[in-house]
Amino acid sequence: DAKTTQPPSMDCAEGRAANLPCNHSTISGNEYVYWYRQIHSQGPQYIIHGLKNNETNEMASLIITEDRKSSTLILPHATLRDTAVYYCIVRVRSGGYNKLIFGAGTRLAVHP
Amino acid sequence: GAGVSQSPSNKVTEKGKDVELRCDPISGHTALYWYRQRLGQGLEFLIYFQGNSAPDKSGLPSDRFSAERTGESVSTLTIQRTQQEDSAVYLCASSPLVYGDQPQHFGDGTRLSIL
Repeated sequence: DAKTTQPPSMDCAEGRAANLPCNHSTISGNEYVYWYRQIHSQGPQYIIHGLKNNETNEMASLIITEDRKSSTLILPHATLRDTAVYYCIVRVRSGGYNKLIFGAGTRLAVHP
Repeated sequence: GAGVSQSPSNKVTEKGKDVELRCDPISGHTALYWYRQRLGQGLEFLIYFQGNSAPDKSGLPSDRFSAERTGESVSTLTIQRTQQEDSAVYLCASSPLVYGDQPQHFGDGTRLSIL
């Protein structure tokens, strides 16, 4: 199973870009990188995912390095409501279905 | 549209009692997953349903834990003879397809406290 490594915590000023790194050096060629976040007392919320190319949606951008060994989630203009634990996950394919393995994540604190 | 719904949102019970936790997935979602999250920790996979079948029960911690799904819709996770170590948030997720890169969508969980 591909493991991910994330810093335990990060700070970001409101209105600035938050760049959250993730290392996944043992990722296989057909494994996607997913990002979820979890705000206190809520279930994980899907943010974005990608395989090789950079991706962007209304919430965030995902930058994946060419060797696919690391990625960065970018929240372009962080708000106080973006304070959460952010999980970088490499989806494990097991018997054709997807089992998400969550690590400890990065606790992002957005401050005024 | 409606997301994944779980009930109850909170459950407090005495050690030794049985509990049932319910998950209503997003309509039409074929795949359904149960996870457990202990305080301050990441998610642990418990069981996966493809339709009404459970091809992977490898995460269930003991034979006190069981789950079923009916009508390719509602799922129930049952914990018998609860122990204090069962205290956790139990999360349910669903996705449209079994295969492919469809993301899983989570409910807000049931917070289970065993006294």
